[in-house]
Amino acid sequence: NAGVTQTPKFRVLKTGQSMTLLCAQDMNHEYMYWYRQDPGMGLRLIHYSVGEGTTAKGEVPDGYNVSRLKKQNFLLGLESAAPSQTSVYFCASSYGPTQYFGPGTRLTVL
Amino acid sequence: AQSVSQHNHHVILSEAASLELGCNYSYGGTVNLFWYVQYPGQHLQLLLKYFSGDPLVKGIKGFEAEFIKSKFSFNLRKPSVQWSDTAEYFCAVNRPGGSYIPTFGRGTSLIVHP
Repeated sequence: NAGVTQTPKFRVLKTGQSMTLLCAQDMNHEYMYWYRQDPGMGLRLIHYSVGEGTTAKGEVPDGYNVSRLKKQNFLLGLESAAPSQTSVYFCASSYGPTQYFGPGTRLTVL
Repeated sequence: AQSVSQHNHHVILSEAASLELGCNYSYGGTVNLFWYVQYPGQHLQLLLKYFSGDPLVKGIKGFEAEFIKSKFSFNLRKPSVQWSDTAEYFCAVNRPGGSYIPTFGRGTSLIVHP
């Protein structure tokens, strides 16, 4: 099993550009999550999904959109990137209380 | 809303020293408790967890944590740290059932000098 995978691993954007981060899991988990990690801030939840076709807002959803068209995939979109969105983005999945994390995407917005 | 406080933001130790990292949470009901570890350049991995039962929980690599309900605490301990324990440590809490949305602490950066 690959577990949780994320693409791309690194990306540099200019302000105003858009992009989509892909998270895939092969563990048949119902729940999937997107976090951002910033120095001294821990992990903050952006959006999450409790099943295929469902999404919900987390703590810091502004400027992001998500979709869960297939159970194994959870996409995070940045509509118009801003420097404040420079961060490391982690995806996670779970079938219960314990979360399994992907390797992260380091995004820089210039 | 529940919150998680990690009191030590940066800890520097020498190898073989003992470690205790504090974690307190605010929610008064039943909780699930976790410690995750993030080694440099890697993703978060589960170190140990507590759902119910014996409040002293043993995890991987010699780590343990004690749940003290009356103090709303779940402190992480290791009797003798190694250089390879250099990492960031996150305490997390969620409530049983529902979407298992966790609340993470801000993390503690541990540096162990050889």
